[in-house]
Amino acid sequence: NAGVTQTPKFQVLKTGQSMTLQCAQDMNHEYMSWYRQDPGMGLRLIHYSVGAGITDQGEVPNGYNVSRSTTEDFPLRLLSAAPSQTSVYFCASSSTRDASSYNSPLHFGNGTRLTVT
Amino acid sequence: ELKVEQNPLFLSMQEGKNYTIYCNYSTTSDRLYWYRQDPGKSLESLFVLLSNGAVKQEGRLMASLDTKARLSTLHITAAVHDLSATYFCAAPAYTGTASKLTFGTGTRLQVTL
Repeated sequence: NAGVTQTPKFQVLKTGQSMTLQCAQDMNHEYMSWYRQDPGMGLRLIHYSVGAGITDQGEVPNGYNVSRSTTEDFPLRLLSAAPSQTSVYFCASSSTRDASSYNSPLHFGNGTRLTVT
Repeated sequence: ELKVEQNPLFLSMQEGKNYTIYCNYSTTSDRLYWYRQDPGKSLESLFVLLSNGAVKQEGRLMASLDTKARLSTLHITAAVHDLSATYFCAAPAYTGTASKLTFGTGTRLQVTL
């Protein structure tokens, strides 16, 4: 079982460059989300989606765009990278539209470590 | 806005000892989640606590939930080195269409010989 797959695992960008972090899940999960993890700050929600064509902002959405054209994929776009976006990014999915589903806690990908210089 | 706080942030304990990690959340919630993260790895689900008074146990870890106090605890019994990891609690914030999970800052547990 592949589960939640994130690519790339590592990326270095220069300030101002753009890129897309890929996330794919093969579990037919409706709910998908992106978190960033920074030391001492836990995980903070960037954007989330409750199904194809539906996205919404999380706690720290500025500087990031998302789209959900299929159930399987939920890419995260950095429009113009800044050093403040240096972080580890996690994609997570759940089997229902609800992130707090009682029978399906979030399934996390292995993360993308992004450095912006 | 939902706030989730954990303490302590860092815990160094000897093998064989017992300790408790605390998770407080600021608004009413009927459920609470615990996750474990090993260094450089992803997060894996440990416990899902679904109601007031819920208690779940897995090996040397036991989690409980008091929704009236807005408090969850993760108790470690007779710690072993394999439990060294960062532990996160998370609570849902409900919107009109779905819920979002808000995570605590994590407790880094180091078990020493």
